[in-house]
Amino acid sequence: GESVGLHLPTLSVQEGDNSIINCAYSNSASDYFIWYKQESGKGPQFIIDIRSNMDKRQGQRVTVLLNKTVKHLSLQIAATQPGDSAVYFCAESSHPTQGGSEKLVFGKGTKLTVNP
Amino acid sequence: SQTIHQWPATLVQPVGSPLSLECTVEGTSNPNLYWYRQAAGRGLQLLFYSVGIGQISSEVPQNLSASRPQDRQFILSSKKLLLSDSGFYLCAWSRLAGGRINTQYFGPGTRLTVL
Repeated sequence: GESVGLHLPTLSVQEGDNSIINCAYSNSASDYFIWYKQESGKGPQFIIDIRSNMDKRQGQRVTVLLNKTVKHLSLQIAATQPGDSAVYFCAESSHPTQGGSEKLVFGKGTKLTVNP
Repeated sequence: SQTIHQWPATLVQPVGSPLSLECTVEGTSNPNLYWYRQAAGRGLQLLFYSVGIGQISSEVPQNLSASRPQDRQFILSSKKLLLSDSGFYLCAWSRLAGGRINTQYFGPGTRLTVL
């Protein structure tokens, strides 16, 4: 079946370093991708998204890269801070069918720990 | 701006008791609405979604049901809870698709423990 997964379940970095969180997807029809950040006991928070007509998109301290050839998505966090510690989920979606709603398929998540 | 609310924030219920979780969205009209469940340390599983009042689609067979009595209200229910219903329940909304996929925004969640 189609799935979205992550290469590493945990990632530990030093404060100030750059972090890279990876995600693989298998649905070649996926054309929209989102990264979410989820802190303990809270709902996922939208970080950044990218559509399949783009390879790269930048936000504040974050960059998402999409490689459609190998079905790979990554989230780069620059100058990682302790407040970035959380679980990060990638999610993918394909175009909704007529009358339907877009559905997101989530990966299992990567726990990022930032050490001071 | 749009906000999404869920209540209660936490709930402890005995096996066999009923359940009602509520989600409301403010600041938008005709949203798509979603219910997800998240098991401890796991990803999110889509349970139900709704594209309009009274329109509910179920993703997985289960002990739960959903209703949308108003445009910006989404309710998750059960007549008799099971131990396996324990988890973190998240409501989300997105703008009407209109042929374009849109971001889903999540509420704060409800932590349900069934004993």
